[in-house]
Amino acid sequence: GDSVTQTEGLVTLTKGLPVMLNCTYQTTYSPFLFWYVQHLNEAPKLLLKSSTDNKRTEHQGFYATLHKSSSSFHLQKSSVQLSDSALYFCALSENAYKVIFGKGTHLHVLP
Amino acid sequence: AQTIHQWPVAEIKAVGSPLSLGCTIKGKSSPNLYWYWQATGGTLQQLFYSITVGQVESVVQLNLSASRPKDDQFILSTEKLLLSHSGFYLCAWSLEGGPNYAEQFFGPGTRLTVL
Repeated sequence: GDSVTQTEGLVTLTKGLPVMLNCTYQTTYSPFLFWYVQHLNEAPKLLLKSSTDNKRTEHQGFYATLHKSSSSFHLQKSSVQLSDSALYFCALSENAYKVIFGKGTHLHVLP
Repeated sequence: AQTIHQWPVAEIKAVGSPLSLGCTIKGKSSPNLYWYWQATGGTLQQLFYSITVGQVESVVQLNLSASRPKDDQFILSTEKLLLSHSGFYLCAWSLEGGPNYAEQFFGPGTRLTVL
């Protein structure tokens, strides 16, 4: 069946450094990939989305490129800030109604 | 602009007691509606989705049920709570179609503690 894999459970780094959060997926359908961010005690909010192969999408300093050849949609930022500390989810949807979320990666940014 | 409201904000309930959580969306007609469950710090598990009034599809069985009595309302309930029901319940909506059909817009959530 379809699945989303986020390999890092926790990423800790100092502000100003670059970060990459990994996301790979498995599906037999044409994929629609998302990154959601969830701050403590809040609802998840959409950060990025893509269904176009090899096209970079950007928002709020974060960026990601969907690579269908490697089934990946890694999230990157060139310089993390303290306010980026949150839980990040990669998600896959192959149709209009079912969405599969990865286990999530906690990003902890140190001063 | 669309707004999504969930009630209650938080609940503390006893094992074996009934539960009813609600979700209302305003500003969008005939949305697709969803219920998700999240353990503390955990992933989001889709529970149910509804495309239209009176129709609900189950994605995973967790001894919960859902109903859509009105176009803008989605209800999650159970007659008998388990300890494993504790967590964060999120209602979400999405557009009916087009290129952004799968994008989920989440409500503020209800935090449930079962003792």
